[in-house]
Amino acid sequence: KAGVTQTPRYLIKTRGQQVTLSCSPISGHRSVSWYQQTPGQGLQFLFEYFSETQRNKGNFPGRFSGRQFSNSRSEMNVSTLELGDSALYLCASSVPGFQETQYFGPGTRLLVL
Amino acid sequence: QKEVEQDPGPLSVPEGAIVSLNCTYSNSAFQYFMWYRQYSRKGPELLMYTYSSGNKEDGRFTAQVDKSSKYISLFIRDSQPSDSATYLCAMTKTSGSRLTFGEGTQLTVNP
Repeated sequence: KAGVTQTPRYLIKTRGQQVTLSCSPISGHRSVSWYQQTPGQGLQFLFEYFSETQRNKGNFPGRFSGRQFSNSRSEMNVSTLELGDSALYLCASSVPGFQETQYFGPGTRLLVL
Repeated sequence: QKEVEQDPGPLSVPEGAIVSLNCTYSNSAFQYFMWYRQYSRKGPELLMYTYSSGNKEDGRFTAQVDKSSKYISLFIRDSQPSDSATYLCAMTKTSGSRLTFGEGTQLTVNP
């Protein structure tokens, strides 16, 4: 079974721009969560989607948004990029109700200049 | 104060050593406890998960949870250079809620 895939793998943007990241979950997994990983803060929860609906949201500003499509694929968007948004963005998929078995993708490494 | 505390290391051990990795937490509502391994420039890989207190063994890996002390551990027996990675503990309150991660411990196993 194919794992979680994320595109693009690497991205360089400048301050003020916006970015869209994509995640395709494991086949049959309908819950998708997004995390931000930085050296100083570690892994922090952004949001979770199930059945095209946001079920959970972390403590991030409104510049961070996401959505999920009917095929369970998910996208996250960051608008008005700041230098501090440079991070590894990770997507994880799971069977709904089984968050203890989340499987992560390789991540998208975003650098904001 | 962080909900989950984990010593970031780095931790360096010789090949064959027993490695002990630990996390403490403050929220007694946590029920599910996970350990992830993350190699450099890769996403975290789920190693083990346990529910509530107790032990769980999988090959060279043993996870322990002591809810009374709010303390969890991962033991690696006969450590190998391929075990060199960052190990992250994670926990969640109920099945279906968000994961809260520790900072991660960087482990190096020297041949």
